[in-house]
Amino acid sequence: DIQMTQSPSSLSASVGDRVTITCRASQNIRIFLSWYQKKPGEAPKLLISTASSLQSGVPSRFSGRGSGTEFTLTISSLQPEDFATYYCQQSFTTRWTFGQGTKVEIK
Amino acid sequence: QVQLVQSGAEVKKPGASVKVSCRVSGYTLSDLSMHWVRQAPEKGLEWIGSFDPEDGETIYAQKFQGRVNMTEDTSTDTASMVLSSLTSEDTAVYYCATAPPPVLSLDYWGQGTLVTISS
Repeated sequence: DIQMTQSPSSLSASVGDRVTITCRASQNIRIFLSWYQKKPGEAPKLLISTASSLQSGVPSRFSGRGSGTEFTLTISSLQPEDFATYYCQQSFTTRWTFGQGTKVEIK
Repeated sequence: QVQLVQSGAEVKKPGASVKVSCRVSGYTLSDLSMHWVRQAPEKGLEWIGSFDPEDGETIYAQKFQGRVNMTEDTSTDTASMVLSSLTSEDTAVYYCATAPPPVLSLDYWGQGTLVTISS
């Protein structure tokens, strides 16, 4: 199975900060990479698909980049509602895998 | 707009099996590939497997091979997952999730079903 590794595992940031999360795949997954936001007690929410396609209704402060084995999710100006855990997920192979998550906490 | 409504919380004993159901509205289940994902307490998201309606095949994460079974009832637009030989490690919230084809990400999610394994 393809292993997805996120870094950092957690970070502390302030409202207005620029935040970048990295996701690395153990092999080339082209652009078959999605990002999700997960808050306690809620279902995950899809933010970005195919590495950089922002989903309808997702604020433009979220952006995704990358291809192959290295990808990033950037929040350009962190808002109070963005404090959550973020997961990457590959769909290159028929057996999908998630990264371990990055928890974004309030500094 | 696809909506997924899951069955209610379950409490099971170790060694038992559990069935979680997911009813689809706003789309035809036979046109969707349903995926199942879980999150154990204080853990990350874990992909369990998926059902491909085009060929009727299921694909499971290796970790669950041999004790998970995913099915679909197109007459009721309900997808189901049965997990057997339960242990405390299976205590988690289980989600069904899908998207219209081609399914490259999970756009729509059920509300989650808490499964608790306790003796």
